[in-house]
Amino acid sequence: DVKVTQSSRYLVKRTGEKVFLECVQDMDHENMFWYRQDPGLGLRLIYFSYDVKMKEKGDIPEGYSVSREKKERFSLILESASTNQTSMYLCASSLEVGNQPQHFGDGTRLSIL
Amino acid sequence: QKEVEQNSGPLSVPEGAIASLNCTYSDRVSQSFFWYRQYSGKSPELIMSIYSNGDKEDGRFTAQLNKASQYVSLLIRDSQPSDSATYLCAVNSISSGSARQLTFGSGTQLTVLP
Repeated sequence: DVKVTQSSRYLVKRTGEKVFLECVQDMDHENMFWYRQDPGLGLRLIYFSYDVKMKEKGDIPEGYSVSREKKERFSLILESASTNQTSMYLCASSLEVGNQPQHFGDGTRLSIL
Repeated sequence: QKEVEQNSGPLSVPEGAIASLNCTYSDRVSQSFFWYRQYSGKSPELIMSIYSNGDKEDGRFTAQLNKASQYVSLLIRDSQPSDSATYLCAVNSISSGSARQLTFGSGTQLTVLP
């Protein structure tokens, strides 16, 4: 089974802090994704990566950056956290070919105070 | 703009009934279709994949795909209270720039009443 592990289930940070969310997958997947999910807004893609050191903006990249130094690890960075970034953050991974499903981690519920 | 539409619900069915969840999509070149189940406070879990027209059955779940009409559905037979969750439809397209992405619907909330 695919295992996608997010470093924290719950996280509380303060406004202005730099926040790191970590995601690791163990299936040698090429593609990795970061989403946020908010009530009434569904899943929104923040960034994705299709190879080491490669990244593409999703629908809502503002205020976020990402890092992929190793194939199995994809990090989401909130450069200067703001209260409107309070959300559930979901990491996912998939094989390279386009017709494969994405597999999700357990999610990180992030609160910015 | 590729879109995936689902009725948000809530959809309520009695225990033991068939629950029918529907999804339409706008991109005609979509090739892969997935259903995810998401319990409250949890992450989406893949339950069905379907790639060609027709029905695909897996236990109590049946996915149905009609590419000509651009819809995909999920039937849950003998519904159980444990099936109560939000069901997300996801569609993949081979269009340039999006081959690796999925477009998700907003989900249908299903409640199975004991």
